[in-house]
Amino acid sequence: DADVTQTPRNRITKTGKRIMLECSQTKGHDRMYWYRQDPGLGLRLIYYSFDVKDINKGEISDGYSVSRQAQAKFSLSLESAIPNQTALYFCATSDLAGGITDTQYFGPGTRLTVL
Amino acid sequence: GENVEQHPSTLSVQEGDSAVIKCTYSDSASNYFPWYKQELGKGPQLIIDIRSNVGEKKDQRIAVTLNKTAKHFSLHITETQPEDSAVYFCAASRVQGAQKLVFGQGTRLTINP
Repeated sequence: DADVTQTPRNRITKTGKRIMLECSQTKGHDRMYWYRQDPGLGLRLIYYSFDVKDINKGEISDGYSVSRQAQAKFSLSLESAIPNQTALYFCATSDLAGGITDTQYFGPGTRLTVL
Repeated sequence: GENVEQHPSTLSVQEGDSAVIKCTYSDSASNYFPWYKQELGKGPQLIIDIRSNVGEKKDQRIAVTLNKTAKHFSLHITETQPEDSAVYFCAASRVQGAQKLVFGQGTRLTINP
């Protein structure tokens, strides 16, 4: 089984709808991240969380919100989806060993299309 | 904040030849530089990383070089094989703290048989 899973893998929705993307991990990592990938722009950080009680905005948080329900679960919500939020979304996790953050491990991604 | 530029955006090489992808960064405080490989339909996967206390790191056919003075780092793949075809991303961050990776734009590498 995959260490980092994302659901759904594909989603098509309409402008104005509320959408939730979910991420679960079995790696036991404390840190979780949400990224957005657009062609020619690489991956950009939306939100990140160091533990259940810690949520931080990333580079492009406007229009998004997150919830860290447990150490293993980190959800991304689009309260009112708009077409320019059409993108590939990735969840990632990392650990903190000796005060130095370890490798980030990515899930398989969710392709979101907003019509 | 940090800005990472990656070139080229596409690269096509003959099987067995070498491929080089280059990145520049803007934040002199960055000291961690990972490279990720993304295969079709999958998430990015770390293939090699380098920290600022070394200038070069090698792992079989893959190597990364870092020039902190010029603020650029490069990925070198030798003896390329068809399975090397993928999108490659460089990134930069500070090792300690939030480790907010800033990614380059990506390079689509195609290995021609």
